[in-house]
Amino acid sequence: QQQVKQSPQSLIVQKGGIPIINCAYENTAFDYFPWYQQFPGKGPALLIAIRPDVSEKKEGRFTISFNKSAKQFSLHIMDSQPGDSATYFCAASDTNAGKSTFGDGTTLTVKP
Amino acid sequence: NAGVTQTPKFRVLKTGQSMTLLCAQDMNHEYMYWYRQDPGMGLRLIHYSVGEGTTAKGEVPDGYNVSRLKKQNFLLGLESAAPSQTSVYFCASSYARLADYGYTFGSGTRLTVV
Repeated sequence: QQQVKQSPQSLIVQKGGIPIINCAYENTAFDYFPWYQQFPGKGPALLIAIRPDVSEKKEGRFTISFNKSAKQFSLHIMDSQPGDSATYFCAASDTNAGKSTFGDGTTLTVKP
Repeated sequence: NAGVTQTPKFRVLKTGQSMTLLCAQDMNHEYMYWYRQDPGMGLRLIHYSVGEGTTAKGEVPDGYNVSRLKKQNFLLGLESAAPSQTSVYFCASSYARLADYGYTFGSGTRLTVV
């Protein structure tokens, strides 16, 4: 039973493009939705996160869109750069239980 | 600013051997977690702890044990290693208010069981 489904598995865009990564969840107990960025050989690092009481959050070139009724959320990267090439994980957290469930990850390649 | 430190970084075990992975955090975080990362399968929760002296099972706890005797340390043990436990193991920690800052991850332990 996969509680958080992430797509696509991999994504290739040109520099300046806008990659979009999508996630869907099932458990309505989830109340915090972070995205993590992971570079090869490193641990994931928190990139941006959203609470379900807002529909969009923007930090620099990164935007989360959240649709509570559809139980879906997505990450948009504006003006993507080669340095954004990494694996991106969405997660859904149940803050009362103190734990998070992760999607399977999306490997993003931004070509110069 | 050390954050979350995992030791060792790499290890090769023979089937049936035992080992302990150590995670240490210096941020006074209440919660600590052990995840394993396998290709195409994301991060799966093995065990976690919401405070010193407490532990709980995650999605894939079989074959692993944990202990949290001190707030800053979370140990993951493999009693009898199997090839299926070949993976990259990540420790993470967080404040009790998880949504404040999310998780802080260590840099991982790459374990190979032959």
